Amino acid sequence: QSALTQPPSASGSPGQSVTISCTGTSSDVGGYNYVSWYQQHPGKAPKLMIYEVSKRPSGVPDRFSGSKSGNTASLTVSGLQAEDEADYYCSSYAGSNNLDVVFGGGTKLTVL
Amino acid sequence: EVQLVQSGAEVKKPGESLKISCKGSGYSFTSYWIGWVRQMPGKGLEWMGIIYPGDSDTRYSPSFQGQVTISADKSISTAYLQWSSLKASDTAMYYCARLLVGAILDYWGQGTLVTVSS
Repeated sequence: QSALTQPPSASGSPGQSVTISCTGTSSDVGGYNYVSWYQQHPGKAPKLMIYEVSKRPSGVPDRFSGSKSGNTASLTVSGLQAEDEADYYCSSYAGSNNLDVVFGGGTKLTVL
Repeated sequence: EVQLVQSGAEVKKPGESLKISCKGSGYSFTSYWIGWVRQMPGKGLEWMGIIYPGDSDTRYSPSFQGQVTISADKSISTAYLQWSSLKASDTAMYYCARLLVGAILDYWGQGTLVTVSS
């Protein structure tokens, strides 16, 4: 499967909202409600922030929200804080018997 | 508390073999798939493959089929990723993660940095 498409960068000032998009196809993002988002700080392992399009694991601030329309999923970070500066990756179930996961190329979020 | 603890950083020469590990604790290791993810320097995440430690059912991403071997020893709650002949292009950080239905990677290991250089 081809990687999902994310913008390489996004930015916002503290307190603002920013939205990161993740575009796939009807075979992955558009075909299932199985989109996840991961946050990765430099030198750290990725951390699950959103799963099944819009659900938040315990402990993830409600400033983080997810949505999907057609073949494009989105992650919105509201009330930006300095610690939100990180790389963000989307992923999707790719719908095969091999339990394949397909990742986006990642978006570097900068808090100005 | 669910934890995945990976083995330490490795420095190897091209052509050498290597096996890195991922030890799970705090949950039933045999009941969840474990996935492996590669991250090359300065690059994004790449899906390598998965194993179900309960029966060692293993699946590989087409890009990694034949390049690596994924295995597990359920008696010690440990999954492995191995290479028979490393290349410089295998230099990367490798992560293991627990995989839930819906392609959700809910817990991640801390990563193992593999450096292959002559």
